[in-house]
Amino acid sequence: DAMVIQNPRYQVTQFGKPVTLSCSQTLNHNVMYWYQQKSSQAPKLLFHYYDKDFNNEADTPDNFQSRRPNTSFCFLDIRSPGLGDAAMYLCATSRDRREKLFFGSGTQLSVL
Amino acid sequence: DAKTTQPNSMESNEEEPVHLPCNHSTISGTDYIHWYRQLPSQGPEYVIHGLTSNVNNRMASLAIAEDRKSSTLILHRATLRDAAVYYCIRGEYGGSQGNLIFGKGTKLSVKP
Repeated sequence: DAMVIQNPRYQVTQFGKPVTLSCSQTLNHNVMYWYQQKSSQAPKLLFHYYDKDFNNEADTPDNFQSRRPNTSFCFLDIRSPGLGDAAMYLCATSRDRREKLFFGSGTQLSVL
Repeated sequence: DAKTTQPNSMESNEEEPVHLPCNHSTISGTDYIHWYRQLPSQGPEYVIHGLTSNVNNRMASLAIAEDRKSSTLILHRATLRDAAVYYCIRGEYGGSQGNLIFGKGTKLSVKP
């Protein structure tokens, strides 16, 4: 059974049109992460939530925001997607910061 | 600055052991060493992690140098399903941050 679920698997949006990606978890983990992975590159951490505490990476563009309305769900909002934002977006969870990560299968975002 | 250095690619024969090296010469005393792998079109998957002592689990073994500046992931008998990109990661837990920053990884090919 999937424990970290990302929907949709593929998302197409238009240049400049806001888009939201979703992630849910059945593990009741405290920490939820969003990574961006471009083709043939390593995943890049955008931000993470420790419970309700939001932690942004210093080089994450302002165009990317996140919401965590409850323990189970976390959303990635891209306010004005550019062509350079086309990538795989990976959600991950961990019980605590020093614990191993569980990844979802990712959402492949295309920007037209 | 990925803070870990790995070979871009390695090849192995099926059913032979594989040793994947990683250098992390600037590691601090509290940083864990994590290994994840990513199969094509999937999210990364946890393999193993450790701090100082060598570690074993059902997937692999992790050998950590005495000075902790390098480590080696050991797959005891490679199978075709082990073909993936393997990431060696420093888990940095200083201050209020606690996150995994991926390096470029090693692409492992397994030949029948």
